[in-house]
Amino acid sequence: QKEVEQNSGPLSVPEGAIASLNCTYSDRVSQSFFWYRQYSGKSPELIMSIYSNGDKEDGRFTAQLNKASQYVSLLIRDSQPSDSATYLCAVILSGAGSYQLTFGKGTKLSVIP
Amino acid sequence: DADVTQTPRNRITKTGKRIMLECSQTKGHDRMYWYRQDPGLGLRLIYYSFDVKDINKGEISDGYSVSRQAQAKFSLSLESAIPNQTALYFCATSDTQTGGDEQFFGPGTRLTVL
Repeated sequence: QKEVEQNSGPLSVPEGAIASLNCTYSDRVSQSFFWYRQYSGKSPELIMSIYSNGDKEDGRFTAQLNKASQYVSLLIRDSQPSDSATYLCAVILSGAGSYQLTFGKGTKLSVIP
Repeated sequence: DADVTQTPRNRITKTGKRIMLECSQTKGHDRMYWYRQDPGLGLRLIYYSFDVKDINKGEISDGYSVSRQAQAKFSLSLESAIPNQTALYFCATSDTQTGGDEQFFGPGTRLTVL
């Protein structure tokens, strides 16, 4: 079964530290990878997309993709209490005639002031 | 104004009732999706539509139906609601012209079936 796996956490980091969130996926041919942030009771918000191996930076966020290892990560530099949320990894998994964005169950991040 | 709106935002209904959740978008996107989110199970795709004439089942379509009334409108129906359909429901959109993969979510509908 094709899956997207994340550590559920909670992951606690002190304010100003780097938070590292990890995700593995089972489908070797996946090409599209996303990170969403979801505050409690709110909808998921897209924060990063990455399609090629390597790093992609956007402000304090860096997404890292390693297709050979089927691994995607999100680094948050200078973590702030406002970054406390659940982070969802999402992958477009292949399938005959189908298209689905499959989500991991999320990692809850807590940034301690 | 919000780009993706969902109505109602909260709904409590009884087992066996028919209920419709509506989604509208002003983003001009052609693709629309319905998900449900349950604690411990994450987000799961119910149905998706790539244009007005296209409807596809997702991972968990049993017990649900959809209608794409226009490019901007996509509704989800529960013909006979049951308690295990209690969940948070999200509508999402994406745009084929920008690759179609990045999805943007509405605010959600919290549905309780008693």
